[in-house]
Amino acid sequence: DGGITQSPKYLFRKEGQNVTLSCEQNLNHDAMYWYRQDPGQGLRLIYYSQIVNDFQKGDIAEGYSVSREKKESFPLTVTSAQKNPTAFYLCASRIGGGSYNEQFFGPGTRLTVL
Amino acid sequence: GEDVEQSLFLSVREGDSSVINCTYTDSSSTYLYWYKQEPGAGLQLLTYIFSNMDMKQDQRLTVLLNKKDKHLSLRIADTQTGDSAIYFCAERVGGATNKLIFGTGTLLAVQP
Repeated sequence: DGGITQSPKYLFRKEGQNVTLSCEQNLNHDAMYWYRQDPGQGLRLIYYSQIVNDFQKGDIAEGYSVSREKKESFPLTVTSAQKNPTAFYLCASRIGGGSYNEQFFGPGTRLTVL
Repeated sequence: GEDVEQSLFLSVREGDSSVINCTYTDSSSTYLYWYKQEPGAGLQLLTYIFSNMDMKQDQRLTVLLNKKDKHLSLRIADTQTGDSAIYFCAERVGGATNKLIFGTGTLLAVQP
């Protein structure tokens, strides 16, 4: 079955540690996205990548980093520079091209900083 | 600027209709979407409407778009307990990035 997987589902981290969230898709989609969700707020875009080896900052990129070495994978690193990292993180992907293009979402990773 | 607003909470009885409202600010929006999020899960696309349409119906779902007022609504007919979830509207703003601006989400609680 095609889809997007995120791992782990729950992640705990101590303050001052970097942590990497995994996102893998087998949909052959060109574009991938990382969003952050906080209670009572909509999703906010962290980073996105429209093609392999290329990515751009979203609205709240500070304290995060990404890589896109393979089409299938778009890992997100939450660094110690991120002041308030506890949140629900969602990865999405979309096939390339214009007009209507649905973003498909993974199940999410809940990160808690202790 | 880009902003999408929704009311935070809606409670209905099973079998009634639910109407979830959304307002947006970007007049260049091309597509507007409704996503559903169940507890602890990712987002699932329910339906979408192109900006030159007024209405779209898909089984129990009806989307109405008032482009003049930048108002979008989602009507769920015969609401079921399985419809309880958070509903997000999102607008696709102009450009090739397919950037989506999400609303804050409306928690729909369906009472049996």
